[in-house]
Amino acid sequence: KAGVTQTPRYLIKTRGQQVTLSCSPISGHRSVSWYQQTPGQGLQFLFEYFSETQRNKGNFPGRFSGRQFSNSRSEMNVSTLELGDSALYLCASSLGLAMDTQYFGPGTRLTVL
Amino acid sequence: ELKVEQNPLFLSMQEEKNYTIYCNYSTTSDRLYWYRQDPGKSLESLFVLLSNGAVKQEGRLMASLDTKARLSTLHITAAVHDLSATYFCAVDAGKGGGGADGLTFGKGTHLIIQP
Repeated sequence: KAGVTQTPRYLIKTRGQQVTLSCSPISGHRSVSWYQQTPGQGLQFLFEYFSETQRNKGNFPGRFSGRQFSNSRSEMNVSTLELGDSALYLCASSLGLAMDTQYFGPGTRLTVL
Repeated sequence: ELKVEQNPLFLSMQEEKNYTIYCNYSTTSDRLYWYRQDPGKSLESLFVLLSNGAVKQEGRLMASLDTKARLSTLHITAAVHDLSATYFCAVDAGKGGGGADGLTFGKGTHLIIQP
């Protein structure tokens, strides 16, 4: 079974631009979560989608948004990029049931100049 | 707000030695996860601990959970160089009902095992 895939793997943007990251979950998984990883703040939860609905949201500004499609693929969007948005963005998928393991993708490395 | 604290954050040890990484969390939860991350790579799931007293072992790694003490441990037995990585514990705040909620991660333990 193919794992979680994320595109693109690397991205360079400038301040003020916007960016869209994509995540394809493991086949059959209906839940997709997004995390931001930085050296200073560590791993922080962004949001979770299940069956096209946002089920949970972390403590991030409204510039961070996401969505999930009917095939469970998910995108996250960051508008008006700031230098501090430079990070590794990780997507994780799970079946969506309680007590379920989340499987992480390789991540998208975003650099904001 | 759920807080997850790992210690130590950095650990350099010799091969064949034993050591334990500790993970404390601040609110009630009965779902705790351990992940491994190699440099430049994503997170690899190691263990899922779902109940008080749960113990799981894989090779030289053993994880346990004490929900009353809000403590999980990851024990490394007779360490080998291949275990060098960063280890994260993560706790599921769990809002009830079905489905996985966001995980709160510890800051990670950077483990270096020297020959």
